[in-house]
Amino acid sequence: DTAVSQTPKYLVTQMGNDKSIKCEQNLGHDTMYWYKQDSKKFLKIMFSYNNKELIINETVPNRFSPKSPDKAHLNLHINSLELGDSAVYFCASSQGVSSSEAFFGQGTRLTVV
Amino acid sequence: AQSVAQPEDQVNVAEGNPLTVKCTYSVSGNPYLFWYVQYPNRGLQFLLKYITGDNLVKGSYGFEAEFNKSQTSFHLKKPSALVSDSALYFCAVRDGGDKIIFGKGTRLHILP
Repeated sequence: DTAVSQTPKYLVTQMGNDKSIKCEQNLGHDTMYWYKQDSKKFLKIMFSYNNKELIINETVPNRFSPKSPDKAHLNLHINSLELGDSAVYFCASSQGVSSSEAFFGQGTRLTVV
Repeated sequence: AQSVAQPEDQVNVAEGNPLTVKCTYSVSGNPYLFWYVQYPNRGLQFLLKYITGDNLVKGSYGFEAEFNKSQTSFHLKKPSALVSDSALYFCAVRDGGDKIIFGKGTRLHILP
């Protein structure tokens, strides 16, 4: 069983469209994250949720809206997609304690054309 | 604010030789330090972490890392490199909160 799973794995869409990426974890973790990895492989945190509550929002454009229906799921909805949104988006989860490592999904490669 | 620096974009090592991938950190409180590896078209995999205690921590695939508080470093090491170790390696820090900050990554090439 995959611990952190994201769908879809690949997403190609046109500018201006709205799209969603789904993430689920079966590890029983309290905290979930979205990270963006750009073409230079830099990993930047976007959001973090703890028990369905938003705790980190790293100055991400408000076109990006995370939603956590329960603590096992954290979805990312993106409105009005732009070329610069093309990247690999990673979902991750961890226990809600400082010493815990994060477990990552396989990533969603988003290409905006 | 916490930060992580990986000064080398790429490290080349001959197979069988020891390897070191460098990482320095800056954090206001007690640091929790991590190393991850990313293979092409894959997510990040956890290798090892330092929380407290022994400065030398051992992790997956024969990797280890040495915590040095005075130099604020957490270098990743392996005594004998394998070609299969070639990948992108990330150092990360967590300062007691929920935010995990990653370095820019170091590409490790193991030459046969």
